[in-house]
Amino acid sequence: NAGVTQTPKFRVLKTGQSMTLLCAQDMNHEYMYWYRQDPGMGLRLIHYSVGEGTTAKGEVPDGYNVSRLKKQNFLLGLESAAPSQTSVYFCASTTRGGKQYFGPGTRLTVT
Amino acid sequence: GDSVTQMEGPVTLSEEACLTINCTYTATGYPSLFWYVQYPGEGLQLLLKATKADDKGSNKGFEATYRKETTSFHLEKGSVQVSDSAVYFCALSVNTGGFKTIFGAGTRLFVKA
Repeated sequence: NAGVTQTPKFRVLKTGQSMTLLCAQDMNHEYMYWYRQDPGMGLRLIHYSVGEGTTAKGEVPDGYNVSRLKKQNFLLGLESAAPSQTSVYFCASTTRGGKQYFGPGTRLTVT
Repeated sequence: GDSVTQMEGPVTLSEEACLTINCTYTATGYPSLFWYVQYPGEGLQLLLKATKADDKGSNKGFEATYRKETTSFHLEKGSVQVSDSAVYFCALSVNTGGFKTIFGAGTRLFVKA
């Protein structure tokens, strides 16, 4: 089992550019999540999905879109990147018991 | 709404010292409680969990007890090692149509040799 994988690991964007972050899990988990981690603020939930074809907004969804076309993949899109979106992004998937498995993170810098 | 408050860091200890990181929570339902650890450059990993009142979670010498009466889940270790240096996150999870986990802000621990 690879667990939860994320691509890319690092990315630098210019303001206004777009990109997609890919998260994949091989544990057959129903629930998947995208978080951002900023210094002193812990993790904040951006969007989540409770199953294939479903998505929902989290705490800080503005400026992001997501899709869950396949159960194992959860994509996070930035349509027009802004410097405020400079952060470390973590994907996670969850067992029915609530235990979260995290990916290694994507460090995004928007200049 | 649901929330988690944990002590601010950084916490700096000498090797073999005792560790306590305080965590309190507010929740409308009956949450499960977790401690996660994040080592530099990595994602979070589950350290321990407790799912009901008076449960004690333990792992790698760390312990935390689910105290419903004080809404607390403090992390403790009797003798820390340099390898315990990391950021520790307290979290709660309530199943509201999809397990949503609320994280504390994290507490950075430095252990000196």
